[in-house]
Formats: sequence, C-alpha cells, structure tokens
Amino acid sequence: GAVVSQHPSRVICKSGTSVKIECRSLDFQATTMFWYRQFPKQSLMLMATSNEGSKATYEQGVEKDKFLINHASLTLSTLTVTSAHPEDSSFYICSARANEKLFFGSGTQLSVL
Amino acid sequence: RKEVEQDPGPFNVPEGATVAFNCTYSNSASQSFFWYRQDCRKEPKLLMSVYSSGNEDGRFTAQLNRASQYISLLIRDSKLSDSATYLCVVNVFGYSTLTFGKGTMLLVSP
Repeated sequence: GAVVSQHPSRVICKSGTSVKIECRSLDFQATTMFWYRQFPKQSLMLMATSNEGSKATYEQGVEKDKFLINHASLTLSTLTVTSAHPEDSSFYICSARANEKLFFGSGTQLSVL
Repeated sequence: RKEVEQDPGPFNVPEGATVAFNCTYSNSASQSFFWYRQDCRKEPKLLMSVYSSGNEDGRFTAQLNRASQYISLLIRDSKLSDSATYLCVVNVFGYSTLTFGKGTMLLVSP
C-alpha cells in the first residue's frame, strides 16, 4: 500500500506558540491531502482539504487563519496551528488518496499547556 | 440523523468468539464503503472494502444492504490482537472525502 509519513508524532507546546505538522506521500504523488482532527472517543472530523498549488478548502467551523495549510508540492502538505490554545489539544491526522483508497499518516498528538 | 452511525460499544468478547458490528448510513447516494481499524492513538488502517455481493477476507466478512443502507462486519474466531476500534466509512461517489462513523470498540479477553 501507499505510504504517508507524518511528523512530528507528538508535540507539547506552550499556549500562544505555533506548531507545524508535516505530511508527506512517500511513494506516490498526492494532489489532494486531507487533514483530520480527532478528540478522545470521537470520530475523525475532516478539517480541510489541501490542494497542491492552490488554496485549501476548509470545513464549516474551522478557522482558516488559525489552521494554516500549505501544499507546495505533490508530496508535501503542512498544517500550522497558530497561536495554539489548550482547546487545540487533539490528535491530528493527515491522509491522501491512492488507488481509490485512503491512506493515513501516523498522526500527531498535540498537547498545548 | 448522523451521516454514519455505529454502536459505540465496547463489545467485550472472549477469545474465539464471533462478533458482529453494524453500521447505518443516511446518504442513499453513497457508493463506496469500507471498514477501517484504529488502535488507540494510532492512525486508522484499512481493514477491507465492502462490496455489494458481500466479501470475505480470512476471519472477516463484510456485508452491504443498500436497500436498508446498512453495512456489517463479522469477525470469527476472535483473537486478542483484534482488540481495536472498528470504523465504518462511507464515500459518496464524486466526492473526494470519506465520512467516518465514531467507531465501535472491541475488547477481546483471554
């Protein structure tokens, strides 16, 4: 199967700082990547669709100025959580489609103190 | 009504038991269906696609009932390693994203 690499796997940061999460497709090109957030015991919630070379599409209720997405190449999308607050603490996962299936990165556990 | 609904469980079963998970979806235009497995604090991993005629992969059998908008997953001869959360996932044709259920937790005990 296709491989999606996500870094870092865990981040602990102070309130007010910004955190960048990287998502890479290692053995295929991904014009579209997806960013999800998952709170404990909840389902994955799509935050935004990242499109290579163009602006991301954000789901309703997701602040685009807070969650900055950059998809500068066919193999890399980044999510930056700006001015992080404790309520942003969550599990963030990226994914990309390959061969009509969705493959996920290993996720990033963000803890904001 | 939620788009994809699952019984949250947990389902506690002994090793060797047979367990079935159910899932219903609300969008009749849905075209693709999947079961994913997610371990605690890990990413979801595709377990199997679900086809209209039903399909089997070893101890796992998936069924789809389009008329009732219902999907099932049957696990036979449960193993300790089957303990995880099982996510029902639905895709509407033409959309590039999938809709996830909240998942059903399975705990297999010795």
